[in-house]
Amino acid sequence: DAKTTQPPSMDCAEGRAANLPCNHSTISGNEYVYWYRQIHSQGPQYIIHGLKNNETNEMASLIITEDRKSSTLILPHATLRDTAVYYCIVRVYSGGGADGLTFGKGTHLIIQP
Amino acid sequence: SAVISQKPSRDICQRGTSLTIQCQVDSQVTMMFWYRQQPGQSLTLIATANQGSEATYESGFVIDKFPISRPNLTFSTLTVSNMSPEDSSIYLCSVDRTEETQYFGPGTRLLVL
Repeated sequence: DAKTTQPPSMDCAEGRAANLPCNHSTISGNEYVYWYRQIHSQGPQYIIHGLKNNETNEMASLIITEDRKSSTLILPHATLRDTAVYYCIVRVYSGGGADGLTFGKGTHLIIQP
Repeated sequence: SAVISQKPSRDICQRGTSLTIQCQVDSQVTMMFWYRQQPGQSLTLIATANQGSEATYESGFVIDKFPISRPNLTFSTLTVSNMSPEDSSIYLCSVDRTEETQYFGPGTRLLVL
């Protein structure tokens, strides 16, 4: 799987939008971009994923650049409970089965009151 | 999303002993995965468990140290054998509930003295 690059840490004020960048310049055409977060040693929580189109769900929005070499996860109104380590992962989806995830170091997002 | 439980949630063990961790899912899944998260580190995939076949181990992990069972489509166990303090970690199982998204259990926190 392609590697991703994320800033090690970010701060964001409570109530503001948190924008978390991720670079995946070597992504292949059949690799999806996934975002997970891990709150204080709990199991990682799935947030969102996408292939080439922008995606939105109840938790967040995912913006993928046209060349797919980078993406941004947007938490529209960050709360203190959004403080966590956020992982950007690229993963091949082969259709007939699935592989495990390769986690990088992620971004430690700290929401400030 | 899948409901995934793990037992035990935490344990303290003596070196040289073995611990078996259970992972139960609320519905049938094809693939189950086991990860390790060492203190202060990201998650690392240990192995993939497919029902009816032997588990597939990642580089650096061997069956003698981490034997895995997958007796049916809702259950798997991971055994950490002949433990040493270096095995102190969080062990997590995950499943592909849909073919594109992976969900994680709460983890088992292991401390080896």
